[in-house]
Amino acid sequence: KNEVEQSPQNLTAQEGEFITINCSYSVGISALHWLQQHPGGGIVSLFMLSSGKKKHGRLIATINIQEKHSSLHITASHPRDSAVYICAVIEWGNQFYFGTGTSLTVIP
Amino acid sequence: NAGVTQTPKFRVLKTGQSMTLLCAQDMNHEYMYWYRQDPGMGLRLIHYSVGEGTTAKGEVPDGYNVSRLKKQNFLLGLESAAPSQTSVYFCASRPDRGPEKLFFGSGTQLSVL
Repeated sequence: KNEVEQSPQNLTAQEGEFITINCSYSVGISALHWLQQHPGGGIVSLFMLSSGKKKHGRLIATINIQEKHSSLHITASHPRDSAVYICAVIEWGNQFYFGTGTSLTVIP
Repeated sequence: NAGVTQTPKFRVLKTGQSMTLLCAQDMNHEYMYWYRQDPGMGLRLIHYSVGEGTTAKGEVPDGYNVSRLKKQNFLLGLESAAPSQTSVYFCASRPDRGPEKLFFGSGTQLSVL
């Protein structure tokens, strides 16, 4: 049973393209995280959101609580955006569930 | 302010050997977690702690033990390592109040031969 599903699993884009990564979840949540993991590196939190939309630089995250769906958008993608992006949800009761990640490669 | 520090970063063990992974955080967080990350799978919770002196089992606790003797440290032990425990291990922490944001360590790459 996967509480969090991400798509696509792998994504290759040309520099400058607009990128969307999707996340669907099946549990009731108090918040959703988008995490970034660079090859061989640690994991950092990009966004935490419980409703609506957040923007940070070229990254935009949206969430639709009724549809249990979130999207991460990257505008004007750059090779340094190449990483694994992980969706994580916090179920009521404080349990975290993680998606398997989307591996993004941006080609110059 | 170092955040979450994991040691060691890499380790190779032979089957049956034991080792301890150390996680230290300097943010006064109550909650600490140990996860393992395997190819094609999401992060899976091994054990967690909601405060000093407390521990609880997660999704995949077999073969691991933990201790939280001090609030800032969370230790993960492998008493008799098995090849199935080859993985990347991440420690994480978060405060018990305020934004439910996780702070991760840099990971430990463990290979069991």
